[in-house]
Amino acid sequence: AQTVTQSQPEMSVQEAETVTLSCTYDTSESNYYLFWYKQPPSRQMILVIRQEAYKQQNATENRFSVNFQKAAKSFSLKISDSQLGDTAMYFCAFMTSYNDYKLSFGAGTTVTVRA
Amino acid sequence: DTAVSQTPKYLVTQMGNDKSIKCEQNLGHDTMYWYKQDSKKFLKIMFSYNNKELIINETVPNRFSPKSPDKAHLNLHINSLELGDSAVYFCASSLLTLRGELFFGEGSRLTVL
Repeated sequence: AQTVTQSQPEMSVQEAETVTLSCTYDTSESNYYLFWYKQPPSRQMILVIRQEAYKQQNATENRFSVNFQKAAKSFSLKISDSQLGDTAMYFCAFMTSYNDYKLSFGAGTTVTVRA
Repeated sequence: DTAVSQTPKYLVTQMGNDKSIKCEQNLGHDTMYWYKQDSKKFLKIMFSYNNKELIINETVPNRFSPKSPDKAHLNLHINSLELGDSAVYFCASSLLTLRGELFFGEGSRLTVL
């Protein structure tokens, strides 16, 4: 079974600063997919970024980037130039290529951006 | 133009009652899901349908019965509601070929008294 661990329940960051959220996962598969989802206080979850395990290059989406360390099974999310709208709960998620449509989520990290 | 819409957004009901939540997506996706988010915000998949066929049934009590009349709709009916069913239920959809990239609805908060 795959597990996803987010060890930081809450983080706070000053506006315009950078914050890094950690995520580790456990799997015996060699090919898989990793995701970060954002859930703002309005509740609707949206996909922030995805990473394929076979790609060595770290994914980037505007101010969001990941640090994917396959050997360490680590997948951290960096939010640069934090904005008030980044305040949300962030979920790390994992899916194997051979899994039946099942996305496994971590427990989430609440990020608060301070003005 | 809402992509994944769920109704109702809030339900408050008594133990033992039956309730339904409806979900519709207009994204042209072929796969739909129900996720449950508990009071600690933990998200867990309940069901998944691909082109109206059930492909995941994640050890959910049989009081929960999903139904997909077509690939744009996935409804959830819950019989004999229990206190532990209180949660936020999220509908989501995706393309089969991109099934980790989910589009979520706004959620339906169910409170069982």
